[in-house]
Amino acid sequence: KNQVEQSPQSLIILEGKNCTLQCNYTVSPFSNLRWYKQDTGRGPVSLTIMTFSENTKSNGRYTATLDADTKQSSLHITASQLSDSASYICVVSEGGMLTFGGGTRLMVKP
Amino acid sequence: DAGVIQSPRHEVTEMGQEVTLRCKPISGHNSLFWYRQTMMRGLELLIYFNNNVPIDDSGMPEDRFSAKMPNASFSTLKIQPSEPRDSAVYFCASSFARGLSTDTQYFGPGTRLTVL
Repeated sequence: KNQVEQSPQSLIILEGKNCTLQCNYTVSPFSNLRWYKQDTGRGPVSLTIMTFSENTKSNGRYTATLDADTKQSSLHITASQLSDSASYICVVSEGGMLTFGGGTRLMVKP
Repeated sequence: DAGVIQSPRHEVTEMGQEVTLRCKPISGHNSLFWYRQTMMRGLELLIYFNNNVPIDDSGMPEDRFSAKMPNASFSTLKIQPSEPRDSAVYFCASSFARGLSTDTQYFGPGTRLTVL
């Protein structure tokens, strides 16, 4: 069964600190991997989309990495801000199917 | 651009009633997606359309769920009859791409459905 596992489930960090969220998947064959940010009460917003051949992709203070060999992705947030408090969802696409991770809930405290 | 528009934002209904959720995608987008999100199951893709044609409805949970896209600017998700376990937030998203390609999907604000 295709799975996407995210860790940690929740994370609290201080404003200004960096953090890294993990996404491990067993989806095969692999098409692309997406990271979404979802603020409470809002719809998800796309941060990055990575294909098999891409190792790193950045979007401002967000940097996603992908290791297709080990089937691992990470989302690194640099110099965190209070507005980074949200859930971060990893989604892996395989052909016509999407498999969603359970998300990591990040809280940034002042 | 107003983004993806969904209505209503909140819906409370009683078990057995028909519920219709509405979505207006971003103008010019040709793919539309319906998702459901719950605490227990997270985010799930229910169905998606390309050029108003349903491409994959394998995520639709039961025959009680149906979705239509009569034109490029409007889609509905209907639940008939509704049950308490249908309580969730339903998101609509659109993209300028065919299906599940690498193009960005833009999500609406969601409809929070509560079935009593």
